[in-house]
Amino acid sequence: GQSLEQPSEVTAVEGAIVQINCTYQTSGFYGLSWYQQHDGGAPTFLSYNALDGLEETGRFSSFLSRSDSYGYLLLQELQMKDSASYFCAVRDRGGGADGLTFGKGTHLIIQP
Amino acid sequence: GAVVSQHPSWVICKSGTSVKIECRSLDFQATTMFWYRQFPKQSLMLMATSNEGSKATYEQGVEKDKFLINHASLTLSTLTVTSAHPEDSSFYICSGRNSPSEETQYFGPGTRLLVL
Repeated sequence: GQSLEQPSEVTAVEGAIVQINCTYQTSGFYGLSWYQQHDGGAPTFLSYNALDGLEETGRFSSFLSRSDSYGYLLLQELQMKDSASYFCAVRDRGGGADGLTFGKGTHLIIQP
Repeated sequence: GAVVSQHPSWVICKSGTSVKIECRSLDFQATTMFWYRQFPKQSLMLMATSNEGSKATYEQGVEKDKFLINHASLTLSTLTVTSAHPEDSSFYICSGRNSPSEETQYFGPGTRLLVL
């Protein structure tokens, strides 16, 4: 099976930097994805790491350490619109199932 | 980016009735579609994986006879909740992927189901 752990809530100030951590336990690992979901909306893809290191996409960066079964999402220059839930996820492969297993999500609260 | 639509966006039905939810990939061919369920303040839980032209693969604990999935074309998958009960009330979200080698899944806007 797969399990992912991430903080339930993080609070930060507009313009600041915030890091959302994710640790995982999987029977087979291919990579770690991050998704953003605003209240009542659909998840949107942010990033994917298959190899160790940092991937940067604009204000968002994602890091992976396979040896530590750990990754994080880094959000810089926070804006109020970044208030949302952020999920780390791994792909479940095997037996015909190929969907994503999501962490429980981190609710990011941004204060002015 | 790729766009996925769902219809209806919300539905209210009586207990015991069946509800069909459509998921369409609008600008790409989704060789694989996924159905997720999300209860309030919780994470998305994968219900089933559906490959075009094949039977869906259901996750453990998801009743295949209750949640009927049809993926008849590369742009359309349907989820039918049969004999719905109040505990089936949830947010149902589909996603599509255009190739097995691609990691990105494109999610639909979701369908809110309320069973009275």
